[in-house]
Amino acid sequence: LAKTTQPISMDSYEGQEVNITCSHNNIATNDYITWYQQFPSQGPRFIIQGYKTKVTNEVASLFIPADRKSSTLSLPRVSLSDTAVYYCLVSGNTPLVFGKGTRLSVIA
Amino acid sequence: GAGVSQTPSNKVTEKGKYVELRCDPISGHTALYWYRQSLGQGPEFLIYFQGTGAADDSGLPNDRFFAVRPEGSVSTLKIQRTERGDSAVYLCASSLTMGTRDEQYFGPGTRLTVT
Repeated sequence: LAKTTQPISMDSYEGQEVNITCSHNNIATNDYITWYQQFPSQGPRFIIQGYKTKVTNEVASLFIPADRKSSTLSLPRVSLSDTAVYYCLVSGNTPLVFGKGTRLSVIA
Repeated sequence: GAGVSQTPSNKVTEKGKYVELRCDPISGHTALYWYRQSLGQGPEFLIYFQGTGAADDSGLPNDRFFAVRPEGSVSTLKIQRTERGDSAVYLCASSLTMGTRDEQYFGPGTRLTVT
């Protein structure tokens, strides 16, 4: 199973863009990169998924370089409600492996 | 529409007792997953169903843990002879298709406390 490495925590002020980078050096050819968000006392929620280059949806953007050994989740203009834990996962045809995630704290 | 629901939301039991945790997935979702989450950790995979059958149960920690999904919808996670180390939040998720990388919809979890 591919392992991921991401910062334990990050702080940001409201209105700023936040970029969370995840390393996955052993990613396999058929693996996708997926990010989930988790608020306290809730289950994780899917944010975005990609295979290569750039993916954008109404919530975030995901940047994946050509070698796919890392990826960056970009959250534009964060608000206090974006305070949560963000998990980076790589998955192919095997069950999801969650690490400890990145605890993002947004400050007013 | 309704999301994934889990009952009970909280369960306190004594060491050595038997517990059942229930998961109602989103209607029509083929795949169902169970995870366990301890404080400060990410969810840990337990078992994955495709329809009625367990496609992968490699995450079950030992034979005290068992899960069923007899009709391909509702699932029950069963824990025998509970131990204090079983205390955690048990999360259920479902996805529309059978691919493990497909978007998973999580329930709110059942917080199990073994005293």
